[in-house]
Amino acid sequence: DIQMTQSPSSLSASVGDRVTITCRASQSISSYLNWYQQKPGKAPKLLIYAASSLQSGVPSRFSGSGSGTDFTLTISSLQPEDFATYYCQQTYSTPRTFGQGTNVEIK
Amino acid sequence: EVQLVESGGGLVQPGGSLRLSCAASGFTFSSYWMHWVRQAPGKGLVWVSRINSDGSATNYADSVKGRFTISRDNAKNTLYLQMNSLRAEDTAVYYCARATYGDNSGRALDYWGQGTLATVSS
Repeated sequence: DIQMTQSPSSLSASVGDRVTITCRASQSISSYLNWYQQKPGKAPKLLIYAASSLQSGVPSRFSGSGSGTDFTLTISSLQPEDFATYYCQQTYSTPRTFGQGTNVEIK
Repeated sequence: EVQLVESGGGLVQPGGSLRLSCAASGFTFSSYWMHWVRQAPGKGLVWVSRINSDGSATNYADSVKGRFTISRDNAKNTLYLQMNSLRAEDTAVYYCARATYGDNSGRALDYWGQGTLATVSS
């Protein structure tokens, strides 16, 4: 199974900050990497697919990059509605493993 | 509008069974692979299972293999998860999700249901 490791597990940031979350795969997954946002009590929401493509309707302050084993999710200017937990998921092979999540909190 | 609505969760004793359903609308259900993902209280997302568009191919996480069965009825636009021999560690919110397809789609899960809670406890 491919292991997905996110860092950090949590971070505190202020509105307007630039935030970067990383995700590392235990083996190469090409660009089969997606990012999701989840708020408490809600279903996850797709933000970025295929490592760097912005899902329709998602604000352009979200961006993704990387290929192979190392990936990043960047929020260019953190907004109040962005405080949430973010997950990466590899879709290169089954099982479709998720990272453990990164909780973005208000500083 | 794409909608996925799960049902069938509830309280069950260890060793018991539950059948979850996911009613789909707003898209051509028979064209899409579908997945189940679960989330234990206060924990992260865990992939459970997937099924191809015509129901002829399935995959499972090792933790549920042999106990859970994913299936679908394309005439009813409904996805199912039959859960047998349930354990306390299966307690979770279960989400159904639609998978994208095609070149550069990332095979991502682009629409999710609201989830249904299955609690395994005596």
